[in-house]
Amino acid sequence: GAVVSQHPSWVICKSGTSVKIECRSLDFQATTMFWYRQFPKQSLMLMATSNEGSKATYEQGVEKDKFLINHASLTLSTLTVTSAHPEDSSFYICSAAVLAGFNEQYFGPGTRLTVT
Amino acid sequence: DAKTTQPTSMDCAEGRAANLPCNHSTISGNEYVYWYRQIHSQGPQYIIHGLKNNETNEMASLIITEDRKSSTLILPHATLRDTAVYYCIVRVGSSGNTPLVFGKGTRLSVIA
Repeated sequence: GAVVSQHPSWVICKSGTSVKIECRSLDFQATTMFWYRQFPKQSLMLMATSNEGSKATYEQGVEKDKFLINHASLTLSTLTVTSAHPEDSSFYICSAAVLAGFNEQYFGPGTRLTVT
Repeated sequence: DAKTTQPTSMDCAEGRAANLPCNHSTISGNEYVYWYRQIHSQGPQYIIHGLKNNETNEMASLIITEDRKSSTLILPHATLRDTAVYYCIVRVGSSGNTPLVFGKGTRLSVIA
């Protein structure tokens, strides 16, 4: 089956620093990837839609200058949390849509970010 | 906003069928019903989806009412590994290029 990986699986950083999270589709090409955020005991919240070769589309309330998304190839999207603060601590999950019209999205295992 | 309503939690005895209901009374004709589950601290896993016909795969069965206003996910023989949060999602079209909007889901606990 289709596999999506994320790196790192967890990261601890100091307040004010930036962190980059990678999302890769390992055995398929994905024109579209999605980034979600999940706080403890809550559901997944869509942050942005990332399309290969174009600017990401952000959901209302998500700061595009804080959460930089790059989708430079059909197998890689990155999310950079800039000037991270403790309130950015969360579980970040990406998903990828298969290029050729499949119906389901495949999710990565998630990245746990802790900002101290 | 999520367009579905699910019970907050359910218990199921190991080996028995788990029936998870979902209400989607405002579903449109071109919207599909998807089910995903999330085991603790992992990414969501696709289970099944359907438009109006009942569907079955190796993981589960999906029963959609004739008026399409509700559905039930059935795990025929629940195991402890099926303990997870189950999300019922309504989404326009069958293309993977539209985002999934997650509601609160149902926390299923399978009990030995």
